Amino acid sequence: EPEVTQTPSHQVTQMGQEVILRCVPISNHLYFYWYRQILGQKVEFLVSFYNNEISEKSEIFDDQFSVERPDGSNFTLKIRSTKLEDSAMYFCASKLAIRSGANVLTFGAGSRLTVL
Amino acid sequence: KQEVTQIPAALSVPEGENLVLNCSFTDSAIYNLQWFRQDPGKGLTSLLLIQSSQREQTSGRLNASLDKSSGRSTLYIAASQPGDSATYLCAVVPVGAGGTSYGKLTFGQGTILTVHP
Repeated sequence: EPEVTQTPSHQVTQMGQEVILRCVPISNHLYFYWYRQILGQKVEFLVSFYNNEISEKSEIFDDQFSVERPDGSNFTLKIRSTKLEDSAMYFCASKLAIRSGANVLTFGAGSRLTVL
Repeated sequence: KQEVTQIPAALSVPEGENLVLNCSFTDSAIYNLQWFRQDPGKGLTSLLLIQSSQREQTSGRLNASLDKSSGRSTLYIAASQPGDSATYLCAVVPVGAGGTSYGKLTFGQGTILTVHP
């Protein structure tokens, strides 16, 4: 069964460092998302991406965050200067089509980011 | 702003029991509702998706119902097994602001289920 693949599974970084989290969505999917889950808290929407541009972003997704799809397969989340509060599990998700109820959002296994 | 609440926060049952997990949401203007399973340190696995026009969906031992007018959904698990132990999340999608908003889920905090042999 097709999967959304995320790397790394766990990254430890120092505060202020740049981090890039990578995702390979399912190959024929068109819509891409990042979510995050701080330990013990709800899964939260960060950003959606379609047709090579951001469609929507939450208030969490400030100027420190950016996304891109550099090569048509990878979908990356960059945090420019990490803060302690960026420590979380980051989930990538993809979806084939917008409206069809049969096309559920498929999530990756997540990348755990620990900022020291 | 949509708020999703799940009750109970945690549930421990012996193997074989039938159980019900509850999800409530404050804004009934939803496009669909999904139930997910999350294993420790793992991603989210979609279990069932109910469109706003539907009342229930079934998959194997799982049955999810939706009462949009009252802002409630339940996930019924029949004949629970130790392998069902996980966190169960419900999430709603808003009625179309358009475009990729159909993938913009609002999650509840989850119910941690433990099924012991």
